[in-house]
Amino acid sequence: GESVGLHLPTLSVQEGDNSIINCAYSNSASDYFIWYKQESGKGPQFIIDIRSNMDKRQGQRVTVLLNKTVKHLSLQIAATQPGDSAVYFCAETTSYDKVIFGPGTSLSVIP
Amino acid sequence: ETGVTQSPTHLIKTRGQQVTLRCSSQSGHNTVSWYQQALGQGPQFIFQYYREEENGRGNFPPRFSGLQFPNYSSELNVNALELDDSALYLCASSLLPPVATSTDTQYFGPGTRLTVL
Repeated sequence: GESVGLHLPTLSVQEGDNSIINCAYSNSASDYFIWYKQESGKGPQFIIDIRSNMDKRQGQRVTVLLNKTVKHLSLQIAATQPGDSAVYFCAETTSYDKVIFGPGTSLSVIP
Repeated sequence: ETGVTQSPTHLIKTRGQQVTLRCSSQSGHNTVSWYQQALGQGPQFIFQYYREEENGRGNFPPRFSGLQFPNYSSELNVNALELDDSALYLCASSLLPPVATSTDTQYFGPGTRLTVL
């Protein structure tokens, strides 16, 4: 079946460094992609989204890049902070359809 | 905070029992989606309700059922509980169709942790 997957299940970065979390998706019909952050004991929290007609979108300290040619999505976090430690999920959907989540990447920030 | 609330926060049931989980949507949202998240995995889509009607369903058996009420709050019911039903159950609200000032982004509640013994 169609799925969204991550290349790295765990990532450790030094505080202040930039983090890059990668994601591969398989449904070429997906037109909307979202990154979520999930802290222990909480529900997923929306970080940033991007539509398929874009290849880059920036937020506060975060940037999402979309490469439709190779079906790849990445989340870049600038100047990573201890509060960024969490599990990060990429998710894909076609408009108004179910959201498919990847398995998640655990980001650990080393003080 | 997303404005999406769920109750209860934790629940323990035994095999064969039935459970009802509740969700209140973010103000202004008309759509609720339910997800099951097993430990160490990403959320799996169960179903979505839009204006009180089921609007899509994932790969879950019929013993998983739901309701959406006129105020857009929602319930997830699971009958004949099995051990594998132990998970975090998440609801997410959104606005469909999205208007110019919004997206169809889903906002999640904190979840209900269900343990089946």
